[in-house]
Amino acid sequence: AQSVTQLGSHVSVSEGALVLLRCNYSSSVPPYLFWYVQYPNQGLQLLLKYTTGATLVKGINGFEAEFKKSETSFHLTKPSAHMSDAAEYFCAVSDRGRDDKIIFGKGTRLHILP
Amino acid sequence: GAGVSQTPSNKVTEKGKYVELRCDPISGHTALYWYRQSLGQGPEFLIYFQGTGAADDSGLPNDRFFAVRPEGSVSTLKIQRTERGDSAVYLCASSLNSKGPQHFGDGTRLSIL
Repeated sequence: AQSVTQLGSHVSVSEGALVLLRCNYSSSVPPYLFWYVQYPNQGLQLLLKYTTGATLVKGINGFEAEFKKSETSFHLTKPSAHMSDAAEYFCAVSDRGRDDKIIFGKGTRLHILP
Repeated sequence: GAGVSQTPSNKVTEKGKYVELRCDPISGHTALYWYRQSLGQGPEFLIYFQGTGAADDSGLPNDRFFAVRPEGSVSTLKIQRTERGDSAVYLCASSLNSKGPQHFGDGTRLSIL
């Protein structure tokens, strides 16, 4: 069965510093991989998605993620953190290499230090 | 345009009661999904509709949980004989079809006393 592991339930970075949120996945089929962001008391918003093709995926708000099959990783990065990036981030994999049944990680809360 | 709407935003009820949670998807979206998010956890898949039928209900935890989508638009998640462990945020999402990105509502926070 598909699963994702997010390393670190809380990550703190200074404003302007690099953001790196780690995600490793397990999948028995070619995976679809996702990063979602959740702001307080709101639903989830899709940041980016990998399906096939180019392994470096660019998303909204300056975020990007790289699919590394050899490492089974899909880490999320942003070169320069902004205060508005403070939120919960979820890595996810789809159950059948499609967009329907999505399996989420436990999330990483990103704190931005002034 | 209007996004996915979930009502109520908050629901507090006593253990043993019956509750209904409503989801209005984005107009024209044929696929609809329910997830449950417990405190400190990621969303957990419950059920997925394609049109009026449940294409995958493998995530429903037990037979106290049931969901319907009779006209292929609005969906209702129904929980019978609620237990304290049912307390969570219930999220609904819709997509144009099963191949499209899922758009999430803000969720219903359910508290069982």
